[in-house]
Amino acid sequence: DTGVSQDPRHKITKRGQNVTFRCDPISEHNRLYWYRQTLGQGPEFLTYFQNEAQLEKSRLLSDRFSAERPKGSFSTLEIQRTEQGDSAMYLCASSFGSVADTQYFGPGTRLTVL
Amino acid sequence: DQQVKQNSPSLSVQEGRISILNCDYTNSMFDYFLWYKKYPAEGPTFLISISSIKDKNEDGRFTVFLNKSAKHLSLHIVPSQPGDSAVYFCAASISGTYKYIFGTGTRLKVLA
Repeated sequence: DTGVSQDPRHKITKRGQNVTFRCDPISEHNRLYWYRQTLGQGPEFLTYFQNEAQLEKSRLLSDRFSAERPKGSFSTLEIQRTEQGDSAMYLCASSFGSVADTQYFGPGTRLTVL
Repeated sequence: DQQVKQNSPSLSVQEGRISILNCDYTNSMFDYFLWYKKYPAEGPTFLISISSIKDKNEDGRFTVFLNKSAKHLSLHIVPSQPGDSAVYFCAASISGTYKYIFGTGTRLKVLA
C-alpha cells in the first residue's frame, strides 16, 4: 500500500503527558500537512511542510505543539503537556506539489486525553 | 468565521436516486474546490475537484458544479448506492496557499 500512513492509530494519555505522532507520506510527495478534526467539525489546518521546511503554521498550533520533517520524508507531531481540549483526530495529508494540488489523507491518529 | 459552509448536516436518499450535497463559501479568493468522503475511523478520501475556471467536472457517478457568482458548489451522485453512505466534506483553497478550508460535513445515508 503506497498511501499515507499514520502511527499510532489511537492514543490515550493522561493530562500533562507528552505525545508524539508519526506520518509517512506518499513517497513521491514533497508537501506534507497536518490537520486536526474534532467532533462535528471538518478538518482544521495546523501546519504544512515543503520538503523539510515548515512553511506555515496556524494560530491553532500553540507553543505546546511542534512538528518536524527532518529529512523531507516522514513527519512527527509532538504535543507537550497535553490538555483535555487536545482530544481530537489528528490527520496527516500529502501532495505532489503542483499549483492546484490535491491532498491525500492518512487514516488519522485519534488522541484521547483523560 | 466559517468561510465554507455545509448547511445540511444530514441527507437521506433512496438507492438509485440522485444525491445532491451543497456547499457555500464566502471568500471570493477561493479558486480550487474539492469534495472528500469520510467513513468512521478513517481519514477523508478524495472524490473530485474543480478549478474556478470551470463550472462542471464529472468523474463516473460524481459530478461537481460550481456557481461562482453565487459562491456555491454542489456534488451530485447518480445513481446513489448504499456504499456511498458516509460524511461528505467540501473544501476550498486559494492557489499557492496550500491549505484547505473545510466545511462541517453532510452525513449522507443511502437507503436500500
